[in-house]
Amino acid sequence: QVQLVESGGGVVQPGGSLRLSCAASGFIFSNYGMTWVRQAPGKGLEWVAFIRNDGSNKYHANSVKGRFTISRDNSKNTLYLQMNSLRAEDTAVYHCAKVAVEGVPGDDYFDYWGQGSLVTVSS
Amino acid sequence: DIVMTQSPDSLAVSLGERATIKCKSSQSVLYNSNKKNYLAWYQQKPGQPPKLLIYWASTRESGVPDRFTGSGSGTDFTLTISSLQAEDVAVYYCQQYYTTPSLSFGGGTKVEIK
Repeated sequence: QVQLVESGGGVVQPGGSLRLSCAASGFIFSNYGMTWVRQAPGKGLEWVAFIRNDGSNKYHANSVKGRFTISRDNSKNTLYLQMNSLRAEDTAVYHCAKVAVEGVPGDDYFDYWGQGSLVTVSS
Repeated sequence: DIVMTQSPDSLAVSLGERATIKCKSSQSVLYNSNKKNYLAWYQQKPGQPPKLLIYWASTRESGVPDRFTGSGSGTDFTLTISSLQAEDVAVYYCQQYYTTPSLSFGGGTKVEIK
């Protein structure tokens, strides 16, 4: 069965860095685009970043552009989110999610999500 | 960027009654070449990640009960729960993927039991 397990969250001071990981299993990881979506406490969903199946194309929301970088290692079935220059407003649960459709750019809705990793930015 | 606006923010419905959630996009998410609406609906229960319910605006994901129906086209969409069950208490989100890979979600609609 498909499993997505995030790790790497924690408490960090403003201006600090963290790297989130998302370990994937139960599907051919290298065939699917992946995304990060965050949810601030008590708030809605916010798209953060997206990466195509082969890692050739990466996209980031304006709110994190220049500070966060999405990447993947298909040999390790792992998705990453490098977060630098963290701000209080980045405090959220970060979910990774898998594109539902294999190999069709554009059909970007998500059928499996991880439980999330909590990032708290506070001094 | 496409802004997705959901209404209402919350609603309380009696068990067995209909729940209707609206989602409006700031521009059309209908792709004329294939006549598909690039819109999905998700359900999120407390302490859980989102669950895909509907894609292409009206296609039910496998295993989703048929009391969940998605409709609409262009800029205006609706998620209808025909007969609310206790397990349907959740927050519901719409998501556009027309401008993929730049994506956006609606603000969410909380459904409770009256």
